[in-house]
Amino acid sequence: DGGITQSPKYLFRKEGQNVTLSCEQNLNHDAMYWYRQDPGQGLRLIYYSQIVNDFQKGDIAEGYSVSREKKESFPLTVTSAQKNPTAFYLCASSVGDRGSQPQHFGDGTRLSIL
Amino acid sequence: SQQGEEDPQALSIQEGENATMNCSYKTSINNLQWYRQNSGRGLVHLILIRSNEREKHSGRLRVTLDTSKKSSSLLITASRAADTASYFCATDPLTGNQFYFGTGTSLTVIP
Repeated sequence: DGGITQSPKYLFRKEGQNVTLSCEQNLNHDAMYWYRQDPGQGLRLIYYSQIVNDFQKGDIAEGYSVSREKKESFPLTVTSAQKNPTAFYLCASSVGDRGSQPQHFGDGTRLSIL
Repeated sequence: SQQGEEDPQALSIQEGENATMNCSYKTSINNLQWYRQNSGRGLVHLILIRSNEREKHSGRLRVTLDTSKKSSSLLITASRAADTASYFCATDPLTGNQFYFGTGTSLTVIP
């Protein structure tokens, strides 16, 4: 079945450490997104990519980085510059323009600080 | 913020009753989508309504859109315990590159 796979499901970060969250899709979608979800808040966009080798910052990109070397993959690195990284991270993809098509989501990675 | 806001924040009903949740937003949109999220899982797309549509149905779901009031509602009829989840609206503004999710309504359906 086609879908989006996020790994790991749970991740722990030490102070000063960079960690990378994996997101892979086999839906042949051009666009991919990373969101952060905090308790009591909606999803906030970190980064999005509409095509391979291109990506744009969302509202809360500071302290995060991404790459899009392959259509299927859009990894997110949470750097040590992100001082409050504890959150639920969701990856999504869509066929094309992010507003006119439904987004398909992975099951998330929960990141905590050790 | 252009983020939508859902109302109520939490809703608890008996199985078989109807559930209505509302979404208000601030700027003109191309379309609005509703998503569902089970606890600890990703979001699942439910329905998309375009700015030139007023109502849309999908199974037990009915969505309305009032662009003059910048609001939308999601009605779930004959609710089931399995409908227990959080529900989010998401707006695609006419201007800008962002796609905004609301803060969500947590629905509990009591068997």
